[in-house]
Amino acid sequence: DAKTTQPPSMDCAEGRAANLPCNHSTISGNEYVYWYRQIHSQGPQYIIHGLKNNETNEMASLIITEDRKSSTLILPHATLRDTAVYYCIVQDSNYQLIWGAGTKLIIKP
Amino acid sequence: GAGVSQSPRYKVTKRGQDVALRCDPISGHVSLYWYRQALGQGPEFLTYFNYEAQQDKSGLPNDRFSAERPEGSISTLTIQRTEQRDSAMYRCASSLVLDTSYQETQYFGPGTRLLVL
Repeated sequence: DAKTTQPPSMDCAEGRAANLPCNHSTISGNEYVYWYRQIHSQGPQYIIHGLKNNETNEMASLIITEDRKSSTLILPHATLRDTAVYYCIVQDSNYQLIWGAGTKLIIKP
Repeated sequence: GAGVSQSPRYKVTKRGQDVALRCDPISGHVSLYWYRQALGQGPEFLTYFNYEAQQDKSGLPNDRFSAERPEGSISTLTIQRTEQRDSAMYRCASSLVLDTSYQETQYFGPGTRLLVL
């Protein structure tokens, strides 16, 4: 089953783009990459997902490398409310999401 | 519309007691998931249902843990003979459908924080 590696924490200045990296070097060809975030002790919130093409929605952009071994979540104009733990996740062989410890992103004024 | 709800939000129990945690998914959502989350960690998959059928219970830690969803809507996670190590946040999520090749977006509830004394 594919696993992901993320830095434990990152800082970003308010108004700047936050770029969160994720390594998933053992990902299989048909496994999607998902990003969720968790603010304080709230339930996780879906952000975006992708397979091999770059994706963009109203929350973020997802850039996946051509070999699919890594990806980057981009929050284009980070605000203080974007402070959260961000999880990069891939499916296991039963199509369940395997969650790591995520990256704690702190947006600083 | 209403999101996923869970009850109780907090539960304190004594070691050895049984507890039942309830999840009410978003109306019309086919799939329902149970996770356990320790402090500072991501959610840990426990089990999931499609409609009333339990599809995968490989994440349940031992036979003290069980779950049901008898009418394909509300689900109950039951922990028998609770132990202190069972203390955690228990989260429920639901999704519209589970395609066999793709994981539909999961919507999470607020969780039940369980403390076993």
